[in-house]
Amino acid sequence: GQNIDQPTEMTATEGAIVQINCTYQTSGFNGLFWYQQHAGEAPTFLSYNVLDGLEEKGRFSSFLSRSKGYSYLLLKELQMKDSASYLCAVRDGDYKLSFGAGTTVTVRA
Amino acid sequence: IAGITQAPTSQILAAGRRMTLRCTQDMRHNAMYWYRQDLGLGLRLIHYSNTAGTTGKGEVPDGYSVSRANTDDFPLTLASAVPSQTSVYFCASSYSGSVGYGYTFGSGTRLTVV
Repeated sequence: GQNIDQPTEMTATEGAIVQINCTYQTSGFNGLFWYQQHAGEAPTFLSYNVLDGLEEKGRFSSFLSRSKGYSYLLLKELQMKDSASYLCAVRDGDYKLSFGAGTTVTVRA
Repeated sequence: IAGITQAPTSQILAAGRRMTLRCTQDMRHNAMYWYRQDLGLGLRLIHYSNTAGTTGKGEVPDGYSVSRANTDDFPLTLASAVPSQTSVYFCASSYSGSVGYGYTFGSGTRLTVV
C-alpha cells in the first residue's frame, strides 16, 4: 500500500511563494502527481514527476527525489485564485493513484 | 465536450435503500475508478477497472459494487446504504498507456445517507 503525508494547511500572502512538501512510502512507484482542487469542485491535474528533479510549468514547479520518497510543489507569485487544496498522489505499478489528505492553501491579500 | 459525466449531482438517501451512482466517459479511456472523499481523509479508492469486463477492489470496497460492461460506463452501487457512506464520490478515468497522463475526474456526487 501507500502512505502519503502532506501538511494540512498553509497560509501565504498574495505575490509570495509557498512550498508544499509531500513524503511517501510505497510498495510500488510509477510516478508522482499533484492536483489542485477548489472547494466544491473536482481535482484537476497540475504536474507529473517520474524521474528525479524539477519540473517547471509556469508559476508552478514540482520536484521529486525517489531515493528520499519526497516531493514538493512550489507555487510562485501567489494569486487569490490559488486558494485551494493541493493533493499529492502516487501511482503504483498497476496505474492506480493513492492520494494524500491534501494541503489547504489560503492566500491572503 | 469530451469528459466524464456523473449523475446525480447530489442525493439524500434513506438508510437501507439501494442506490446506483452513474459515471460515463467519452474519451475512450481504458481505466476507470471510483473514489470517495471525506474531510481529513482525502480521496480513497473504492473500486477500479483497468479495462472493460474487469474490476478490482480498492482501499475501501465494503458495501459497494461495480460493473464494467463496456468502455464508457462504470456504475457504482450501494446495495443497502448506511450513514457512514455519506461522502462525496468522484469517478475518474485514465489511459494507462500514456505515461505522464493522470486522471480526469468527474464533477462528483454528494451523497447524504440519513
